[in-house]
Amino acid sequence: DAKTTQPTSMDCAEGRAANLPCNHSTISGNEYVYWYRQIHSQGPQYIIHGLKNNETNEMASLIITEDRKSSTLILPHATLRDTAVYYCIVSSGGSYIPTFGRGTSLIVHP
Amino acid sequence: DTGVSQDPRHKITKRGQNVTFRCDPISEHNRLYWYRQTLGQGPEFLTYFQNEAQLEKSRLLSDRFSAERPKGSFSTLEIQRTEQGDSAMYLCASSPREANTDTQYFGPGTRLTVL
Repeated sequence: DAKTTQPTSMDCAEGRAANLPCNHSTISGNEYVYWYRQIHSQGPQYIIHGLKNNETNEMASLIITEDRKSSTLILPHATLRDTAVYYCIVSSGGSYIPTFGRGTSLIVHP
Repeated sequence: DTGVSQDPRHKITKRGQNVTFRCDPISEHNRLYWYRQTLGQGPEFLTYFQNEAQLEKSRLLSDRFSAERPKGSFSTLEIQRTEQGDSAMYLCASSPREANTDTQYFGPGTRLTVL
């Protein structure tokens, strides 16, 4: 079973911020939160990851709550090309079986 | 920067035939993963290698599936006596395994259709 829960689908207007939530209430102290996205018929693409602190890179920002039980991926200015399925997973990098779940299907509309 | 490559990109085969897929990871990435993905589902873990050692196998990996990573570089995934239920996208990913993080970089996948 997936260790994370995400909404099945979301939509966002082009140019607006897209905020994608993820619940990971059973996360362990040494587990990182990772976000990937998958555009139709392509392999998943790494976006960002974090442990405790908020993180930002050229693609997105990751906000992790203080208790680490949930996080939000923020695409600050969504474009049509951000339409994809977004996966949130938790991982410690040790011996584990990564579980992607079904992710959130984000549709960015004009 | 060469990413993860997979070959072939598409494979159509008849039920009962054997197929083999190849994955070339990013150079010097010591972890390599195989996943299977069916329509509407997220990637499902099959197996992973740390260098040449196969460290974990999912229960999804039946006796008809075998994976190898000789010399810790490229990997192959073979499916023997294919069944229609094997039709899926087979994804490969590699990871540099830095500290305790495990950022995975995926290839484009091999789409298998079993007739």
